Amino acid sequence: SQQGEEDPQALSIQEGENATMNCSYKTSINNLQWYRQNSGRGLVHLILIRSNEREKHSGRLRVTLDTSKKSSSLLITASRAADTASYFCATDAEGNNNDMRFGAGTRLTVKP
Amino acid sequence: GAGVSQSPRYKVTKRGQDVALRCDPISGHVSLYWYRQALGQGPEFLTYFNYEAQQDKSGLPNDRFSAERPEGSISTLTIQRTEQRDSAMYRCASSLVALAGSNNEQFFGPGTRLTVL
Repeated sequence: SQQGEEDPQALSIQEGENATMNCSYKTSINNLQWYRQNSGRGLVHLILIRSNEREKHSGRLRVTLDTSKKSSSLLITASRAADTASYFCATDAEGNNNDMRFGAGTRLTVKP
Repeated sequence: GAGVSQSPRYKVTKRGQDVALRCDPISGHVSLYWYRQALGQGPEFLTYFNYEAQQDKSGLPNDRFSAERPEGSISTLTIQRTEQRDSAMYRCASSLVALAGSNNEQFFGPGTRLTVL
């Protein structure tokens, strides 16, 4: 079963705009990760945020985590056409080992 | 260095046949995971190993699915008596560490596209 749910399911923006994607999950977690998947390709790890962190940055990416609301957001600033991909959040539930649960993803399209 | 590799990349089989999908993790990675991904969906967890021990197989859909990692490196996911609903992309991932709550970034392989006719 899947734990995370991304919102929106699809997002279309113009190059240069910011893109915000949200993820909600159900159980307490150790950490939450965001992955990117280009069409038909493998998943690439973007960023990990631990349950005791509230915000994390990596380049044009900013991730926030609100454990009280069991939600996370991924912000991509100054988007580029190359950012077009599906974005997934994945959580490993607190108390479990390493198995992660992915959401259904947000399909981001950045128009040049 | 080499990433996670999977073989075959594509497999077409007839309903009722058995298939074996192979995953070769990054050398030295302790944990190995199997996922199944339907078109337009996120990966669905199937099972994972720490070294050769299968830690969690709760995601395996039914007893036609099994996995092994006998020497703690290469893993095989076997589907017996395949059915059309088994058609999907099967992805393998590996991670360096095995401790809960640690930075267990998973590195994914390219996947095996299974089509059951």
